[in-house]
Amino acid sequence: ELKVEQNPLFLSMQEGKNYTIYCNYSTTSDRLYWYRQDPGKSLESLFVLLSNGAVKQEGRLMASLDTKARLSTLHITAAVHDLSATYFCAVDSNFGNEKLTFGTGTRLTIIP
Amino acid sequence: DADVTQTPRNRITKTGKRIMLECSQTKGHDRMYWYRQDPGLGLRLIYYSFDVKDINKGEISDGYSVSRQAQAKFSLSLESAIPNQTALYFCATSDPGDRGWKTQYFGPGTRLLVL
Repeated sequence: ELKVEQNPLFLSMQEGKNYTIYCNYSTTSDRLYWYRQDPGKSLESLFVLLSNGAVKQEGRLMASLDTKARLSTLHITAAVHDLSATYFCAVDSNFGNEKLTFGTGTRLTIIP
Repeated sequence: DADVTQTPRNRITKTGKRIMLECSQTKGHDRMYWYRQDPGLGLRLIYYSFDVKDINKGEISDGYSVSRQAQAKFSLSLESAIPNQTALYFCATSDPGDRGWKTQYFGPGTRLLVL
């Protein structure tokens, strides 16, 4: 059974600081996703990571994937208040079936 | 207009009642999914469908059923609602030909309360 663990579950950080959210998964995967969810809203796709060593960046967010370590990171650079949200990683371990297993989410709060 | 819509957006029902949650999409995707979200548990897959004739159980299908009426419509039913089915329900779609990314796109969610 695939397990996906995120840490930390809660993160409160000051504007301007850097931090990293970690996503570990338990079995081989051919793709990993990061989503953002604002309170009371739906999930918005941020990144899709397809291969070992993949790195993607959008604004102040950068995601990376190490398939050998079964680890993905979401790095936040110089945080701003608009990045306050819950971030989920999701892993597709069943090749071709797109059955996603989600982590429990990291609730990020950026303090002015 | 939103690509993935869900109705109703909020629903309060009583234990034992049958209810249906509906999902429609204009993205032209073949693949559709139903998830539930509970605080602290992330999203869990209930059912998924790769086309009108293909329905599959997900991680937590007990107590739920689905119907894929057309490529664009995928409904979730609770035959006899119980309080622990109180949750936020999301529909999602994906395109298998999406350059290999296969990103799932989520609807706005239906908040269900079972009393």
